[in-house]
Amino acid sequence: DAKTTQPPSMDCAEGRAANLPCNHSTISGNEYVYWYRQIHSQGPQYIIHGLKNNETNEMASLIITEDRKSSTLILPHATLRDTAVYYCIVRVRLSETSGSRLTFGEGTQLTVNP
Amino acid sequence: ETGVTQSPTHLIKTRGQQVTLRCSSQSGHNTVSWYQQALGQGPQFIFQYYREEENGRGNFPPRFSGLQFPNYSSELNVNALELDDSALYLCASSWGGIGEKLFFGSGTQLSVL
Repeated sequence: DAKTTQPPSMDCAEGRAANLPCNHSTISGNEYVYWYRQIHSQGPQYIIHGLKNNETNEMASLIITEDRKSSTLILPHATLRDTAVYYCIVRVRLSETSGSRLTFGEGTQLTVNP
Repeated sequence: ETGVTQSPTHLIKTRGQQVTLRCSSQSGHNTVSWYQQALGQGPQFIFQYYREEENGRGNFPPRFSGLQFPNYSSELNVNALELDDSALYLCASSWGGIGEKLFFGSGTQLSVL
């Protein structure tokens, strides 16, 4: 599985943009990058995913470098409720037609401060 | 809310016992995965079921087994419980296609004494 590297912790001021980096230098050409977050004792929450193009949804933006060896998750206006562990994951397909597994690392603990 | 429900939310067992955890998938999803999350660590993949067949397995012993039913709900069974099996067990459902999103339930907290 492609390994991901994230900083263990980051702080962000409420209302400012939070930029969470991830390194995935061994990613293969057809592997997607996924971001999930987990608030203490809850199940991981899907945020966004992408293959090679930048992606945006109602929660966040995902910027993937042209060589695909790294990406950045951007929360445009962080709130206190965004405090969580953020996981950057390279998804591994289990078969040609179906299914995949997510290999979680240790993630980044993002703390949003008032 | 993800539409994935797990039961029970908490469970206490003793070493050597057997346990069954249940998961109801989100409507329209035909794939279910189970993950184990020990305290302070990220979730670890146990196995996945697609259309009632095991579709992939992580590094877990055979005493971890599962079932997926025609309505795509699922069970995780663990035999001969060990103290190290104490963890949060997470179920995730998806539709299994390219670019799929996995949606997780809130988990079952299992304590083995």
